[in-house]
Amino acid sequence: DAGVIQSPRHEVTEMGQEVTLRCKPISGHNSLFWYRQTMMRGLELLIYFNNNVPIDDSGMPEDRFSAKMPNASFSTLKIQPSEPRDSAVYFCASRGQGLLFFGPGTRLTVL
Amino acid sequence: SQQGEEDPQALSIQEGENATMNCSYKTSINNLQWYRQNSGRGLVHLILIRSNEREKHSGRLRVTLDTSKKSSSLLITASRAADTASYFCATAARSNYGQNFVFGPGTRLSVLP
Repeated sequence: DAGVIQSPRHEVTEMGQEVTLRCKPISGHNSLFWYRQTMMRGLELLIYFNNNVPIDDSGMPEDRFSAKMPNASFSTLKIQPSEPRDSAVYFCASRGQGLLFFGPGTRLTVL
Repeated sequence: SQQGEEDPQALSIQEGENATMNCSYKTSINNLQWYRQNSGRGLVHLILIRSNEREKHSGRLRVTLDTSKKSSSLLITASRAADTASYFCATAARSNYGQNFVFGPGTRLSVLP
């Protein structure tokens, strides 16, 4: 198994642009989590899905952030419009056997 | 809100020494897990301890859990330079929304050769 796959690995964009981050969970895992990591705030849970349904999105910072999971093998996190304070590493993780398996992350820089 | 809080925030030791990291949490949990993150990488699961367990071992790792004090510790024995990483505790608790995982700020461990 290739593990959790995220793309892109790095993204540099300008303030105001739309950013879309992608995640492919491990096959057979039915829960998917999006986290954001910064030096100041550590790892923050943004949203998680069970069986493709958003369960808790209370961590999504504001309406500029949205996440979808159209099927069991794909999820997106979109930021529109992006702002410099959104710069962070965004991790996707899927859950199997009660454990989280993390992707390599997307390092987002908003100029 | 932050559930787990690790201390110390940073720890520097010599190769061969033991490293102890602590984690405190606030609410009831089903289990507590420790993860490791190498620089520039995603987190990797190390060990899980259930709320009805007090101690667990895995290789050079030893985890304890004290639910009365809402705390856990991770001990790495005979540390190696390759153990240099950040270590996070995560609490797993069921809510009306399902099972959630909340991570602490982590401990940065440096093992000097």
